[in-house]
Amino acid sequence: QQQVKQSPQSLIVQKGGISIINCAYENTAFDYFPWYQQFPGKGPALLIAIRPDVSEKKEGRFTISFNKSAKQFSLHIMDSQPGDSATYFCPPILTGGGNKLTFGTGTQLKVEL
Amino acid sequence: GAVVSQHPSWVICKSGTSVKIECRSLDFQATTMFWYRQFPKQSLMLMATSNEGSKATYEQGVEKDKFLINHASLTLSTLTVTSAHPEDSSFYICSASWDRDGGELFFGEGSRLTVL
Repeated sequence: QQQVKQSPQSLIVQKGGISIINCAYENTAFDYFPWYQQFPGKGPALLIAIRPDVSEKKEGRFTISFNKSAKQFSLHIMDSQPGDSATYFCPPILTGGGNKLTFGTGTQLKVEL
Repeated sequence: GAVVSQHPSWVICKSGTSVKIECRSLDFQATTMFWYRQFPKQSLMLMATSNEGSKATYEQGVEKDKFLINHASLTLSTLTVTSAHPEDSSFYICSASWDRDGGELFFGEGSRLTVL
């Protein structure tokens, strides 16, 4: 059972544009929804995360939007920069379940000048 | 944020030899650490959960005798790839959290293993 579906698989955005990546999940018990950013040859780094008691969280240029009824959450990157070019993952977590992450396929973002 | 360190960052070894990779939580204690494997342009695959003071829990399809995991202290977990073969060449990444059930996980920088 595929628990996480990310879309798109790859994305090219012009500098200054908005990057939007979506994540759909199946297990309604998930209660922590992070986005991780991974650069080539590096480990993933937590970018931003949200809990289901809020519908949106913003940190700088990064915003998570959460739709509990649709079982989806998305990452919006405003004013996208070439330095944002990376692979993004959205492994939802069931806290209390030992922090076990299941990664989806990831989304490769490329921000062009 | 919390820091998780891996060593070595990269290692090249001959086929048949064993390689040990260390994962350390530098500024927090972690009762649980996780080991992942990542092939080029692919996602992270969870290999096992490393539990301090007890046996690791391996994911289905991961050979326990091939990938030995030891979590001897609250800040150190090691992954030993035994009798390595070229197909074991991959990027190995660990993660840890100070709160076993809190959700926030921190990842190491990864260790690239190349088996000749």
